[in-house]
Amino acid sequence: EPEVTQTPSHQVTQMGQEVILRCVPISNHLYFYWYRQILGQKVEFLVSFYNNEISEKSEIFDDQFSVERPDGSNFTLKIRSTKLEDSAMYFCASSSGYGYTFGSGTRLTVV
Amino acid sequence: EDQVTQSPEALRLQEGESSSLNCSYTVSGLRGLFWYRQDPGKGPEFLFTLYSAGEEKEKERLKATLTKKESFLHITAPKPEDSATYLCAVQARGDYKLSFGAGTTVTVRA
Repeated sequence: EPEVTQTPSHQVTQMGQEVILRCVPISNHLYFYWYRQILGQKVEFLVSFYNNEISEKSEIFDDQFSVERPDGSNFTLKIRSTKLEDSAMYFCASSSGYGYTFGSGTRLTVV
Repeated sequence: EDQVTQSPEALRLQEGESSSLNCSYTVSGLRGLFWYRQDPGKGPEFLFTLYSAGEEKEKERLKATLTKKESFLHITAPKPEDSATYLCAVQARGDYKLSFGAGTTVTVRA
């Protein structure tokens, strides 16, 4: 069964450092998303991406965040200057338009 | 703003003891209601999508139903491997994102 692949599975970074989280969506999907889940809290929407541009973003997705689809297969989330409160599980998801498939996530720990 | 409320927060069941989880929602025009299963440290795993009131879907011991205000996930004769957090999410018409509830953590004891 096709799956969404995320790397790394766990990343530890120092406050103020830049991190890039990587995702390989399902190959024939057209819609791509990033969500995050702070420990013990709800899964929260960050951003959606379609046709090589951001289609929707949440209040969380401020100027510190950016997304990119650098080639035909990868989809990345960059956090420019990490804060302690950015520590969370980050999930990538892709969709053909009906239903989403989520990756296993990257656990980001900011120290 | 879309709102999703799940109850109960936690449910402890004996193996074979059937029960139901509730998801109440408020959305400006429902495009779809989604149920996911999430194991600790993992991503949400898709279970069902429901699109209109009266719709029902089944998969093994799970059955999801939908009304205009809520959805139920029925677990029939659960087994320990059904232990997980079950998440409900809604997508509004014309919207891209899913809005999630906080989940119900189900523990099934042998």
